[in-house]
Amino acid sequence: EAAVTQSPRNKVTVTGGNVTLSCRQTNSHNYMYWYRQDTGHGLRLIHYSYGAGNLQIGDVPDGYKATRTTQEDFFLLLELASPSQTSLYFCASSDWTGGNYAEQFFGPGTRLTVL
Amino acid sequence: AQSVTQPDARVTVSEGASLQLRCKYSYFGTPYLFWYVQYPRQGLQLLLKYYPGDPVVQGVNGFEAEFSKSNSSFHLRKASVHWSDWAVYFCAVRGASSSFSKLVFGQGTSLSVVP
Repeated sequence: EAAVTQSPRNKVTVTGGNVTLSCRQTNSHNYMYWYRQDTGHGLRLIHYSYGAGNLQIGDVPDGYKATRTTQEDFFLLLELASPSQTSLYFCASSDWTGGNYAEQFFGPGTRLTVL
Repeated sequence: AQSVTQPDARVTVSEGASLQLRCKYSYFGTPYLFWYVQYPRQGLQLLLKYYPGDPVVQGVNGFEAEFSKSNSSFHLRKASVHWSDWAVYFCAVRGASSSFSKLVFGQGTSLSVVP
């Protein structure tokens, strides 16, 4: 089973602060994703990537940057954090081979609070 | 664009009672449908998935779901709920396409189990 880890698990920062959330997967999946989870909205896709150096824009990308440095590592960057970015962030990974879509495996989440 | 609606934000059932969590989807074409579960302080785990075929799919821990094209629904059912089923449940949809398509989640249904 794929393992997806996230760090930190909890983070508190102030408005205007700089935050980096880290995600690592150890099953050589090609796709990785960053979501935010908010009550009443479910999970919303921020950014995703299909390989090292690749970045695709999701549905709620404003205020977020991301970078995929290796097959395993995917980072989410908040360069000027705002209180509206207070949320629970999940990273996920999946494989993709032509039309055969595999399930997404999720990390445990990072709870970010912006004061 | 695809969308998912889970009309019940919270559901409370008695232990041993039957359960149905509702999911309505919108997608022009053939959908792939999923139910994920989120236990407290954990990431999401796949319960079951529907690919075109038998409309009733079986999942883990006694869960099943039924796909209805005419009703655009994918309701989750369980015959007898256990206290360990206390969690948040998410329905999700993506297109059945040979090219990559994003997974779109519903808002989630929080299930509470009472004695």
